[in-house]
Amino acid sequence: GAVVSQHPSWVICKSGTSVKIECRSLDFQATTMFWYRQFPKQSLMLMATSNEGSKATYEQGVEKDKFLINHASLTLSTLTVTSAHPEDSSFYICSAREGKGPISIQYFGAGTRLSVL
Amino acid sequence: AQSVTQPDIHITVSEGASLELRCNYSYGATPYLFWYVQSPGQGLQLLLKYFSGDTLVQGIKGFEAEFKRSQSSFNLRKPSVHWSDAAEYFCAVANRDDKIIFGKGTRLHILP
Repeated sequence: GAVVSQHPSWVICKSGTSVKIECRSLDFQATTMFWYRQFPKQSLMLMATSNEGSKATYEQGVEKDKFLINHASLTLSTLTVTSAHPEDSSFYICSAREGKGPISIQYFGAGTRLSVL
Repeated sequence: AQSVTQPDIHITVSEGASLELRCNYSYGATPYLFWYVQSPGQGLQLLLKYFSGDTLVQGIKGFEAEFKRSQSSFNLRKPSVHWSDAAEYFCAVANRDDKIIFGKGTRLHILP
């Protein structure tokens, strides 16, 4: 099956610094990538939808200046958490979709655990 | 608005026993339904999906799910669980905007 690689798997940073998370589709071209946030023992909450070559679409309540998303190629999307604070600590998961529509399955990365001190 | 309800937060079954995880959805049109599994600290793996056709869907790892429109349900089943099945299971529905809406998840515990 299709593989999505997410890096790093775990990052610890100081409050006020920025952190970049990469999401790569390894064996297919992903026209759309999604970024999710998961709090402990809770479900995944969609943060934004990223289409290659265009601006990301953010969900209501997600600060686009806080969570910068770049989808520069068909195989790479990045999420940058700017000026991170302890409340940004969470598990971030990306997914990539090959093709369009819900018939196209989303393939998920293994996630990145962000701890902000 | 679309929503997914997984009424059981935790389920504990003995190894070798049968399993059923419940899922109810709210969606006005024909739903696209999914079951995903998440092992601790990992991403999600697709177990199975329903788009149309046969309402009994077979998935990986011996799982199956049945779509019942009259009950707005898409319950996940497995006839005999293995210790390696212990994980978090998420039911999900895709909406018209192609976004996946997840339930809150059911954590499966396996007794030896």
